[in-house]
Amino acid sequence: QVQLVQSGAEVKKPGASVKVSCKASGYTFTDYDINWVRQATGQGLEWMGWLNPKSGNTGYSQKFQGRVTMTWDTSIRTAYMELTNLRSEDTAVYYCARGYTTIRACDYWGQGTLVTVSS
Amino acid sequence: DIVLTQTPLSSPVTLGQPASISCRSSQSLVDSDGNTYLSWLQQRPGQPPRLLIYKISNRFSGVPDRFVGSGAGTDFTLKISRVEPEDVGVYYCMQATQLPLTFGGGTKVEI
Repeated sequence: QVQLVQSGAEVKKPGASVKVSCKASGYTFTDYDINWVRQATGQGLEWMGWLNPKSGNTGYSQKFQGRVTMTWDTSIRTAYMELTNLRSEDTAVYYCARGYTTIRACDYWGQGTLVTVSS
Repeated sequence: DIVLTQTPLSSPVTLGQPASISCRSSQSLVDSDGNTYLSWLQQRPGQPPRLLIYKISNRFSGVPDRFVGSGAGTDFTLKISRVEPEDVGVYYCMQATQLPLTFGGGTKVEI
């Protein structure tokens, strides 16, 4: 079965960086996109960007341009999202979600990674 | 960016009764390929989101048939024919017709 397993919770100081991983299993990693979505406590969902492991393409929300980098390692079926220059407003749960291109929907989601930014 | 507006914000429901959620888009979600990439997600308390419906009205694998999506253009609806206890949570619409992907603000379904 399709699974996306994310790395554990992180606590960071303002100005630091965080790198969250998302390990895929149960499907051919290069056949689907990976999207990154975040959710502040009690708030809605916010799309950060996507990557396509086959084409090598990435796309970022303008809001995070310059601060976010999405990468992957096909050999270990893992995608990464790195966010730099963290501020308190970045405290949120970060999700990876598989993007099914044909239907353009996020069909499977990771369990989420809580990133807390606090001095 | 495309703005999705959901109503109501909160929907108190009675078990066994229907519930309906509306999602209105700031512009047409019909893509140049003729498809409309509007999906619905359910987020139970403490859980990640789960895909229910894609391309307006197609139920994802394993989704009960009491969930029905409909609509066209800029106006979309998710209906739950008979609310079950496990349906409690927040429901989001999401569009993927145009980047950036955007989500509605969410509708909380509570008993």
